[in-house]
Amino acid sequence: KQEVTQIPAALSVPEGENLVLNCSFTDSAIYNLQWFRQDPGKGLTSLLLIQSSQREQTSGRLNASLDKSSGRSTLYIAASQPGDSATYLCAVNSNTGKLIFGQGTTLQVKP
Amino acid sequence: GAGVSQSPRYKVAKRGQDVALRCDPISGHVSLFWYQQALGQGPEFLTYFQNEAQLDKSGLPSDRFFAERPEGSVSTLKIQRTQQEDSAVYLCASSSSARPGTGELFFGEGSRLTVL
Repeated sequence: KQEVTQIPAALSVPEGENLVLNCSFTDSAIYNLQWFRQDPGKGLTSLLLIQSSQREQTSGRLNASLDKSSGRSTLYIAASQPGDSATYLCAVNSNTGKLIFGQGTTLQVKP
Repeated sequence: GAGVSQSPRYKVAKRGQDVALRCDPISGHVSLFWYQQALGQGPEFLTYFQNEAQLDKSGLPSDRFFAERPEGSVSTLKIQRTQQEDSAVYLCASSSSARPGTGELFFGEGSRLTVL
């Protein structure tokens, strides 16, 4: 059974810092991995999708990497801003079609 | 439409009432998913449609939960005889991919259900 773990559960950093969020999964037989952002009381916004054949994806200040063999992904946020404060969720997609989510990392960026 | 639309955004129900939650997926998206998100947790899979066919309902927690997508577009999640443990945010997502697991999912803002 696929399990997804995100560490840390919460993170507080001063504005301008670079930071890394971690995601690990137990079954490496995945099609893709997706990182989402969730603001309080809101739905999920897709940030980056990495196919199983890819090693990384970049969008602006965000870079996500995937090491399928070791069951790990990282989301790197450069030059963090207060507007980056949110919960970040990673989810893996296997051939069942179901996204399996981690519990999220709640990020606070202090001005 | 431009994105996935869900209604109502907020629903308060007395225990024992039936509720219906609606999802309008992105126009033309073949796949539609329902997820349940408890407070402080990641979303958990409930059910999956490909067009009008419900291909996977393994995540529905009990027979009080029922979902349909009769014309392959709008979907309704119905919960009968609601109980307090049903309180959660119900998220709908859609994808243009017909192959399970291969497409990017786009989520709506969710319907927050509170059962008193």
